[in-house]
Amino acid sequence: DSGVTQTPKHLITATGQRVTLRCSPRSGDLSVYWYQQSLDQGLQFLIQYYNGEERAKGNILERFSAQQFPDLHSELNLSSLELGDSALYFCASSVSQAANTGELFFGEGSRLTVL
Amino acid sequence: QQQVKQSPQSLIVQKGGIPIINCAYENTAFDYFPWYQQFPGKGPALLIAIRPDVSEKKEGRFTISFNKSAKQFSLHIMDSQPGDSATYFCAASEGAGANNLFFGTGTRLTVIP
Repeated sequence: DSGVTQTPKHLITATGQRVTLRCSPRSGDLSVYWYQQSLDQGLQFLIQYYNGEERAKGNILERFSAQQFPDLHSELNLSSLELGDSALYFCASSVSQAANTGELFFGEGSRLTVL
Repeated sequence: QQQVKQSPQSLIVQKGGIPIINCAYENTAFDYFPWYQQFPGKGPALLIAIRPDVSEKKEGRFTISFNKSAKQFSLHIMDSQPGDSATYFCAASEGAGANNLFFGTGTRLTVIP
């Protein structure tokens, strides 16, 4: 158990809809990262927050947004969903702000299926 | 564009064999190279990591070999066991304060008893 909690584990929705994925980082971790995992692309970095502030953006679509709340949990909002958004969405947390100074701890992911 | 290229996509070995997974990169600013292991239904977990000041790092049966001039690094699993069957991801991160890990596309390893 990594200590990172993600909900929901599975989500099925229709095209055009909006969903929110939630992540609770490990106790004491200030950084939260969101990754998208699809079969052909591997793990793609979406966005990072550190102590409530956005720190880095990767290949995140404009239809997607995220935030980190004062209690350090984070939410990833996906809107105007398309079939291609079907994927596993992982949240990871770490103590430090920088990804190259320590381990990222991943949750078990939220599997999104868009029909 | 994939910042870290990983091969092979899948690998099947007999128990006791030594699977080797290779990764290559172009960005010379990368200075941290971790490997993550992912079991079905679970998130990736850090297995072992190396920095470019050493050419090899061992942790138990897992070894990373690093070739800075070739911009390549690889994972070797000695005396592989069925319990090692998982997907392995290499990754890289650049410079001090880098906020992102770039992952390879993963290698699905199956170790046959």
